[in-house]
Amino acid sequence: DAGVIQSPRHEVTEMGQEVTLRCKPISGHNSLFWYRQTMMRGLELLIYFNNNVPIDDSGMPEDRFSAKMPNASFSTLKIQPSEPRDSAVYFCASGTSGRHNEQFFGPGTRLTVL
Amino acid sequence: QQPVQSPQAVILREGEDAVINCSSSKALYSVHWYRQKHGEAPVFLMILLKGGEQKGHEKISASFNEKKQQSSLYLTASQLSYSGTYFCGTEIVSGYALNFGKGTSLLVTP
Repeated sequence: DAGVIQSPRHEVTEMGQEVTLRCKPISGHNSLFWYRQTMMRGLELLIYFNNNVPIDDSGMPEDRFSAKMPNASFSTLKIQPSEPRDSAVYFCASGTSGRHNEQFFGPGTRLTVL
Repeated sequence: QQPVQSPQAVILREGEDAVINCSSSKALYSVHWYRQKHGEAPVFLMILLKGGEQKGHEKISASFNEKKQQSSLYLTASQLSYSGTYFCGTEIVSGYALNFGKGTSLLVTP
């Protein structure tokens, strides 16, 4: 079984450019999470989808960040315009909401904004 | 809402035991434990549910004190492969997103 797939694995861009991160959750999972990890702030939840519907986006830093889940097998996280402080590892995770809500993480996208 | 983990870092010799703690100021539905190795994604270890139900790893045990909203992860007879950063994630409502602690870095040396 393929795990959570994220692309690209690494992204280097210049300040002001648009960045789009992609995620394919595990087939059959109905929950999808976007996290950002930095040394200073640790692992932060950005947004959480359940059955393709955004449930909690309170972690999205500001209007520059947006996320979509057009169907059960695909999600995007977009940053426009990007800033150096957005540099981090962005993880997508999926799971099955219910009693055992374990999450399976993708390999992450390491974003560097110059 | 972020749970507090302690200690921040631990160094062990192979075969020694360690305890990692996680505490929350909010009433919890469950506590999840993950391990992340350098440069890799977090990997699920264990979940402890309100009411005592557990699901997880063979060689790692944990406890959940519902009254104190605290969980502890017990690593016994540590192996070199246990090295990594351990995160607890707390769930306030069933099926909701997790709030992760800042992690505990564990290094097991030969």
